Amino acid sequence: AQSVTQLGSHVSVSEGALVLLRCNYSSSVPPYLFWYVQYPNQGLQLLLKYTTGATLVKGINGFEAEFKKSETSFHLTKPSAHMSDAAEYFCAVSRNSGGSNYKLTFGKGTLLTVNP
Amino acid sequence: SQTIHQWPATLVQPVGSPLSLECTVEGTSNPNLYWYRQAAGRGLQLLFYSVGIGQISSEVPQNLSASRPQDRQFILSSKKLLLSDSGFYLCAWSAGTSNQPQHFGDGTRLSIL
Repeated sequence: AQSVTQLGSHVSVSEGALVLLRCNYSSSVPPYLFWYVQYPNQGLQLLLKYTTGATLVKGINGFEAEFKKSETSFHLTKPSAHMSDAAEYFCAVSRNSGGSNYKLTFGKGTLLTVNP
Repeated sequence: SQTIHQWPATLVQPVGSPLSLECTVEGTSNPNLYWYRQAAGRGLQLLFYSVGIGQISSEVPQNLSASRPQDRQFILSSKKLLLSDSGFYLCAWSAGTSNQPQHFGDGTRLSIL
């Protein structure tokens, strides 16, 4: 069974500071990993994904994440926070539920607050 | 490019009334389709998924049902809503391979009075 743990349900940073959102996963097979962002009253938007190849993945809005197999982690970072980054962030791992159907297992989310 | 549409954006319904939420996808064929519910502070709960027309799998037994009458149409229904059905409902689609992400609609905010 696969699972995702996001450490910290709420992270607060100052504008211009480093953003670090933590995600650890468990998977019995090589994982496919995703980060999504959700703004209030909107759907989830894909930030970035790791499938194979380069372990440092760059996404939209200046975010990136590094897949570390030895640590079973996929932490999301951004060098300098902007007020517009305030949102909820979800980490997810893909799992096969049979045939061609693949489900995502989501973490519980981390709410990012950016202070001026 | 592919797009996904959900409607309505908000809905207020009395307890015991029926429900029908619709989701359609454009620009792709034979997508996997998903319905999620997001309750405040509780993350995303997968309700139903479908890999083809008429093929529905339920994740959690509940007061809701889903149907897929056409390839790119996914409908969430209830005959009699409960207070506990309140929440933010999200539809998503994906290609049928594990390395492809799910793409989400803008959601429907459902309030039960």
